[in-house]
Amino acid sequence: DGGITQSPKYLFRKEGQNVTLSCEQNLNHDAMYWYRQDPGQGLRLIYYSQIVNDFQKGDIAEGYSVSREKKESFPLTVTSAQKNPTAFYLCASSSQLQLEQYFGPGTRLTVT
Amino acid sequence: KQEVTQIPAALSVPEGENLVLNCSFTDSAIYNLQWFRQDPGKGLTSLLLIQSSQREQTSGRLNASLDKSSGRSTLYIAASQPGDSATYLCAVDSGGSNYKLTFGKGTLLTVNP
Repeated sequence: DGGITQSPKYLFRKEGQNVTLSCEQNLNHDAMYWYRQDPGQGLRLIYYSQIVNDFQKGDIAEGYSVSREKKESFPLTVTSAQKNPTAFYLCASSSQLQLEQYFGPGTRLTVT
Repeated sequence: KQEVTQIPAALSVPEGENLVLNCSFTDSAIYNLQWFRQDPGKGLTSLLLIQSSQREQTSGRLNASLDKSSGRSTLYIAASQPGDSATYLCAVDSGGSNYKLTFGKGTLLTVNP
């Protein structure tokens, strides 16, 4: 099956710890994205990458970091510098030809 | 800066009713507009994508229209079913080479049996 996988589905961490969220796609898409979703708010873009070894900050990149070493993978690290890390994190991908963005199932991160 | 608004925030209808969800955007210079569905605790499922040169797209009981000049899109759902209950999100791509989407906050639809 082609698609986007995110793991884990639920993640719990103590304040002050860094945590890495996984995103993998087998759709052969060039572009990948990380969004954050909070109750009552729309999705907000954290980081995006159009090609391997290149990525750009989105609207709320502070306290987050990413890497894009492989086309299939785009992990997101939530650092201790992120002031309100508890949220639902969504990964997406798209091809440069079709433009439509496809989303993974999400990871719910809770930091206490 | 592009802003996307969805009205109403919530909608409850009886099964079988036809309904319209609204999406408006402030900058009419868009590249495309995408409608998504989100079930509670799940990721987004793409429903329809309308490119800026198109006026509408249809998929089954869904029809999405786009009026760029007025900054509006509507999602029409025919003969609604309880399984249509979900949050519907509208997102616009304002162009450029980075394919960034700006999302509305969504409309929570409940279809009552």
